[in-house]
Amino acid sequence: GQQVMQIPQYQHVQEGEDFTTYCNSSTTLSNIQWYKQRPGGHPVFLIQLVKSGEVKKQKRLTFQFGEAKKNSSLHITATQTTDVGTYFCAGPKDSNYQLIWGAGTKLIIKP
Amino acid sequence: EAQVTQNPRYLITVTGKKLTVTCSQNMNHEYMSWYRQDPGLGLRQIYYSMNVEVTDKGDVPEGYKVSRKEKRNFPLILESPSPNQTSLYFCASRPGLAGNTIYFGEGSWLTVV
Repeated sequence: GQQVMQIPQYQHVQEGEDFTTYCNSSTTLSNIQWYKQRPGGHPVFLIQLVKSGEVKKQKRLTFQFGEAKKNSSLHITATQTTDVGTYFCAGPKDSNYQLIWGAGTKLIIKP
Repeated sequence: EAQVTQNPRYLITVTGKKLTVTCSQNMNHEYMSWYRQDPGLGLRQIYYSMNVEVTDKGDVPEGYKVSRKEKRNFPLILESPSPNQTSLYFCASRPGLAGNTIYFGEGSWLTVV
């Protein structure tokens, strides 16, 4: 069945280092969304990518959608403690009513 | 303020005792859904509803029921809870198709002993 794989499951970084999480879909996606969940919180929408090869930036966050629309990445430059949390990607299932979610990447800042 | 409200936020219950987690949204969204979140498994959809009186199973529906009698409400019912239903539950809503932003409730921590 349709799958979205997200790696890595965890990433430990020193504050100020960069962070990247990757999503790979088994099928072509019409769009992909990214969400952030702070510890103890609920997922919050960050961005949606729709076009092949699209790149969007939000301050230190850079989101990319692959040319084949089967993969996506989120890159954070110079991480800060406020970036701590789990980042999820999600794309529409074939039905276009349901979403299929990556398992999430947890960003942990080393003390 | 646009929000999805779910209750209770925290609950400890015993095996077999029926419980309902309520969910309400004030954004007139057509689509509502329930997820459970477990460590290492991400978000897994339990049930979803595309509109009033229209519901369907998600990926992990066993042991759960839902109803959608009104557009704003989408309760999750555990008829006979078991310990493997101990989890963090999220209600979510969005306006229609999968390309739209999802709004999540604050979450309900459920422990079944």
